[in-house]
Amino acid sequence: AQSVTQPDIHITVSEGASLELRCNYSYGATPYLFWYVQSPGQGLQLLLKYFSGDTLVQGIKGFEAEFKRSQSSFNLRKPSVHWSDAAEYFCAVGLTGGFKTIFGAGTRLFVKA
Amino acid sequence: DVKVTQSSRYLVKRTGEKVFLECVQDMDHENMFWYRQDPGLGLRLIYFSYDVKMKEKGDIPEGYSVSREKKERFSLILESASTNQTSMYLCASSMGQDAYEQYFGPGTRLTVT
Repeated sequence: AQSVTQPDIHITVSEGASLELRCNYSYGATPYLFWYVQSPGQGLQLLLKYFSGDTLVQGIKGFEAEFKRSQSSFNLRKPSVHWSDAAEYFCAVGLTGGFKTIFGAGTRLFVKA
Repeated sequence: DVKVTQSSRYLVKRTGEKVFLECVQDMDHENMFWYRQDPGLGLRLIYFSYDVKMKEKGDIPEGYSVSREKKERFSLILESASTNQTSMYLCASSMGQDAYEQYFGPGTRLTVT
């Protein structure tokens, strides 16, 4: 069955430090891959997406993610975290040939001064 | 910009009441979705619709129904609300015939007492 795993329920980083959020998926084909961010009390906003081509994708707010087919991973990175990045982050897999998207359980990011 | 709006941000209902959650999108998207979001479980798909009057069950449709009479509007109905339906409900829309990125509304936090 298709699934998305975000191993870290929450992560705390210092402002200015680098960030990596992990995401692994299980799917038989190459999926569409997404990272969304949810600020408190808000809906989800798309950070970046991967459909095909260059495996390193750039997103909004200085985020990037790398697709590694051999590891079935799509990790999110940011070189220098800002306090405003504190939010919950969701990795998602879009199943090709259909409408369905599967979301991970989310990783909550805390940023300390 | 795509705009997805939901009729209420917060809603308190009593057990056994019939509850309507409304969602409207303004970008002529074919597809609309209803999710519920619970801590540690991520987003779970309740129902989706890929065209007017068309609907498909998601992963957790029990206790819910939907209606899509117009392309821009997708309603979620709780026929007889129960306390285990207390949750955050998110509506989303997307274009095309594949699992492309979704655009989310701000969510409705429903409490059933």
